[in-house]
Amino acid sequence: AQSVTQLDSQVPVFEEAPVELRCNYSSSVSVYLFWYVQYPNQGLQLLLKYLSGSTLVESINGFEAEFNKSQTSFHLRKPSVHISDTAEYFCAVSPNSGGSNYKLTFGKGTLLTVNP
Amino acid sequence: GAVVSQHPSRVICKSGTSVKIECRSLDFQATTMFWYRQFPKQSLMLMATSNEGSKATYEQGVEKDKFLINHASLTLSTLTVTSAHPEDSSFYICSARRHEKLFFGSGTQLSVL
Repeated sequence: AQSVTQLDSQVPVFEEAPVELRCNYSSSVSVYLFWYVQYPNQGLQLLLKYLSGSTLVESINGFEAEFNKSQTSFHLRKPSVHISDTAEYFCAVSPNSGGSNYKLTFGKGTLLTVNP
Repeated sequence: GAVVSQHPSRVICKSGTSVKIECRSLDFQATTMFWYRQFPKQSLMLMATSNEGSKATYEQGVEKDKFLINHASLTLSTLTVTSAHPEDSSFYICSARRHEKLFFGSGTQLSVL
């Protein structure tokens, strides 16, 4: 079984400030790691994922996350946020084995609010 | 990009009635869809995996007779909450698998009075 902990339920920041959204997980098997974003009144969208290879993964809109196996973490960072980044962010894991690798376990979400 | 439509977005019903939620993949075929439930301030929890043309696979602790899932076509899965009770009030979200990615609906807020 897997579990995901997002340590902050809400993170308010000012525009152009850096931000880090924390995610820790526990699992008895190897996992894939994901960050999803949900903008108001929209469905969840995949932001970035770690499957294998380089532990640092990036999204097209400037976010990055680093897989740290020893600390079982997958924190999401952005050096300079925009007001349009205001959304709820969900960290998720899935087992990297066969047909189970689409069974996601989610954290409770972190609401990022970017203020002008 | 791929779009998943979920309907209705919000429903209020009386205790004891049944509610059907639809999940449609609008521009792709999805052999596999997933249903999640999220209680306030809690994580999204996977309820079941819906496979086109076969029975759904339910996660431990989810009552299959209460949460009926039908995946009769490659673009539609439905979740019916039977004999709903106030404790079933929750946010229900579906997702559809396309190749190696999951695409999510915008969710249904169910309130049972």
